[in-house]
Amino acid sequence: DIVLTQTPLSSPVTLGQPASISCRSSQSLVHSDGNTYLNWLHQRPGQPPRLLIYQISNRFSGVPDRFSGSGAETDFTLKISRVEAEDVGVYYCMQATQFPTFGQGTKLEIK
Amino acid sequence: QVQLQESGPGLVKPSQTLSLTCNVSGDSISSGGHYWNWIRQHPEKGLEWIGNMYYSGGANTDYNPSLKSRITISVDTSKNQFSLRVTSVTAADTAIYYCTRDGGYWGQGTLVTVSS
Repeated sequence: DIVLTQTPLSSPVTLGQPASISCRSSQSLVHSDGNTYLNWLHQRPGQPPRLLIYQISNRFSGVPDRFSGSGAETDFTLKISRVEAEDVGVYYCMQATQFPTFGQGTKLEIK
Repeated sequence: QVQLQESGPGLVKPSQTLSLTCNVSGDSISSGGHYWNWIRQHPEKGLEWIGNMYYSGGANTDYNPSLKSRITISVDTSKNQFSLRVTSVTAADTAIYYCTRDGGYWGQGTLVTVSS
């Protein structure tokens, strides 16, 4: 199984300030088709997760441009340029290069 | 707009079979081109992929190796829905079960509790 390790596990952030979450994979996420299937999800309390970013850096439909993804091979980052109140919750990285697995989650909270 | 809705019993006895259905609207499963997944989330815990189905003239399935012996995912294209069966359930199968399309569209989830 591919193991995804997220850091930090908890991130207190001031409104309007940037935030960054790291996701490290136990092996390269480059698929044999050349694509890298690394996604980022956001889950608010009591809600299902929603897709933010797919294939490292592509924003899903309706996702604000303050969210961006970057990285390659085994190291990936989700950045929020200016945190808003609605951004609180848990963020997960997820890989689908092999059978899908998820990071353990990073809880974003407002200071 | 694509919408998914899970349905099924909220309480299942240990050793019995858990059966859930995901009703899809706004897209046709039989059109192909998408992976239809089941994912679960244990209480206050992270996410676990159960398996998926890809429809291309028929259903092709893939399962989490750790659950494979107990899982079946099937499709009813006439009703535009797909289903999950988990046999021999234990308390460890207590979770919120989500159906998704490709990970981009999610149902609201349904809580299944395994208890006598």
